[in-house]
Amino acid sequence: TQLLEQSPQFLSIQEGENLTVYCNSSSVFSSLQWYRQEPGEGPVLLVTVVTGGEVKKLKRLTFQFGDARKDSSLHITAAQPGDTGLYLCAGAWDAGGTSYGKLTFGQGTILTVHP
Amino acid sequence: EAGVTQSPTHLIKTRGQQATLRCSPISGHTSVYWYQQALGLGLQFLLWYDEGEERNRGNFPPRFSGRQFPNYSSELNVNALELEDSALYLCASSWTGMYGYTFGSGTRLTVV
Repeated sequence: TQLLEQSPQFLSIQEGENLTVYCNSSSVFSSLQWYRQEPGEGPVLLVTVVTGGEVKKLKRLTFQFGDARKDSSLHITAAQPGDTGLYLCAGAWDAGGTSYGKLTFGQGTILTVHP
Repeated sequence: EAGVTQSPTHLIKTRGQQATLRCSPISGHTSVYWYQQALGLGLQFLLWYDEGEERNRGNFPPRFSGRQFPNYSSELNVNALELEDSALYLCASSWTGMYGYTFGSGTRLTVV
């Protein structure tokens, strides 16, 4: 069974600060996604990374995929109160066994940005 | 384009009863995934349906079951409800899960 470790679990910062969330596995991902979820809603896909070493930017959000495709990070620059929410990483592994076809989610990072 | 729709939004059941949750995927998506989210944190994989067949299931007891209809909509059935089944049940659809899911807003199931 593949496991995804996400850290930190909680993050409380002031507006304007930078932050990084990490996602790690002992297995090689075929792809990794980051989602953001707000209370009462389902997660919304932010980005998918597939290639080792890949870097993607979405406004103030920067996503990195490790060279070995076992880890990823989400960096937010100059956080704003609107960034508050639950951030989830999710990994897909090569087809086969119990991992076939599904995404495995990390436990999530609850981010609170104070004005 | 309509997103993934789930019904009902909220469901309150008594321990021992059965619950049925429904999901309509995005048009063109043949895969439907069900996840359980307790305590507002990580999602636990329940079931994956594709082209009407169950392709994979998570580590949940057999009283969690479901099906996918010819129009690709799906329902999740939970029998003999227990208090710990109280959670947000999320449905997602995709044409290939490797590149990401589109989630519905979920059904909040409360077992009393």
